[in-house]
This record gives sequence, C-alpha cells and structure tokens, in this order.
Amino acid sequence: QVHLVQSGAEVKKPGASLKISCEASGYTFTTYYIHWVRQAPGQGLEWMGVINPSAGSATYAQKFQGRVSMTRDTSTSTVYMDLSSLRSDDTAVYYCARVEGMLVAALNYWGQGSLVTVSS
Amino acid sequence: DIQMTQSPSSLSASVGDRLTITCRASQGIGNYLAWYQQKPGKLPKLLIYAASTLQSGVPSRFSGSGSGTDFTLIISSLQPEDVGSYYCQKYNSAPFTFGPGTKVEIK
Repeated sequence: QVHLVQSGAEVKKPGASLKISCEASGYTFTTYYIHWVRQAPGQGLEWMGVINPSAGSATYAQKFQGRVSMTRDTSTSTVYMDLSSLRSDDTAVYYCARVEGMLVAALNYWGQGSLVTVSS
Repeated sequence: DIQMTQSPSSLSASVGDRLTITCRASQGIGNYLAWYQQKPGKLPKLLIYAASTLQSGVPSRFSGSGSGTDFTLIISSLQPEDVGSYYCQKYNSAPFTFGPGTKVEIK
C-alpha cells in the first residue's frame, strides 16, 4: 500500500533554512505528483506547491516564490521541500501528500506531518 | 488567483441533524473540487473528489454536489465521529487553494 514517510520534527531559528524529506513507497514513484501543504497551529490547510517526480519540475504558491524549492531523488523515491529565510509564522506542521490518481489531483495519501518550530 | 470561501466557518449541531457546508470559488473551476475531513489531531482525509464522487470507504451519509463556482457538502445524519474541520480544495490548476475550513461540533 501507499506510504509517505516524512522526516522528523525540527526547531529552527529565524532566518535559517529548512529541508523536509518525504519518502514514498508502495507505488511507482514517478507516476504521481506530490504536493506540500502546511498547517499553522489552530489554523487551516495551506497549499505550498507541487512537484512532478518524473520531470522534477515544480510549481509553487506565489506566497512562497523565491523562498521554497521542491526537488526529488528518484533513486530513493524521496521528495524534498526546502524553505529558506524562516520566520516565526512559518511554525507549522508540514505535510507531503500524493494525488489520488493520474487524472484526479485530489490528495488521498498523506505523510504523517513534520512539525517545524521557528523560534529564537 | 482563484479564491475559495466556505460557509459557515463553524457550526454546532445535534446527532442526526442534516448539515450543509458551502464552498464557493471566485471563478469557475468545473467540477475540480475536493472535500477533506480533518479530525482533531489527525491527518486530513479525502472524502469527495470531482465535486460529487465519494472516495472509497467514506460513509454514504456524506455527499457532494455543484459545479462551476458553487459547491455543497452534505452530511445527511450527523454522527459523533464526524466532529472536526472540513475543507474544500480546488484542483483544476495551480494554485491548488484550500478553503478556510468549517469546524463542526456536536451540540
């Protein structure tokens, strides 16, 4: 079955950078797009961007343009999300999520979440 | 970018009540609309995609409808396990924006 396993919790200082990994298993990695979504404490879901694991191309939410980068390593079936210039309001749980199907871009498989705390 | 709104932002209802949650897109998105449920402390769960297609394993008391700009999620008979937040999401094209969410509580 499909599994997405994310890297663990992190504490970062303002201005630092963050790299979260999301290792996929149970399916052909290059077939399905993977999205990144975050959720600040007590807040709603916020879409950050999406990566095509086959081509390696990514599209980002305008809010994060210039600060985010999504990459993949096909040899390990892992996608990465880098976020730079961290601020306190980047404190959130970060999720990777896979689309349901090639023609359905709704998110049906979710990683367990990675809690990121940004604090001085 | 297309904006997504939801109403109400929260509601409190009794077990067995019929609930209606509305999601509106600022421009037409066809039927490229998904609904998610997030129980407290849990991962989001896909309930409905393509505006009205029930994801496998989701109870039939959940249903969705709509196309274009106006969409509805209905819970026909609220159960205690339905407590949580509900989000719509557009997925016709990037950005794949979520609605702000509707928090459902039991009265």
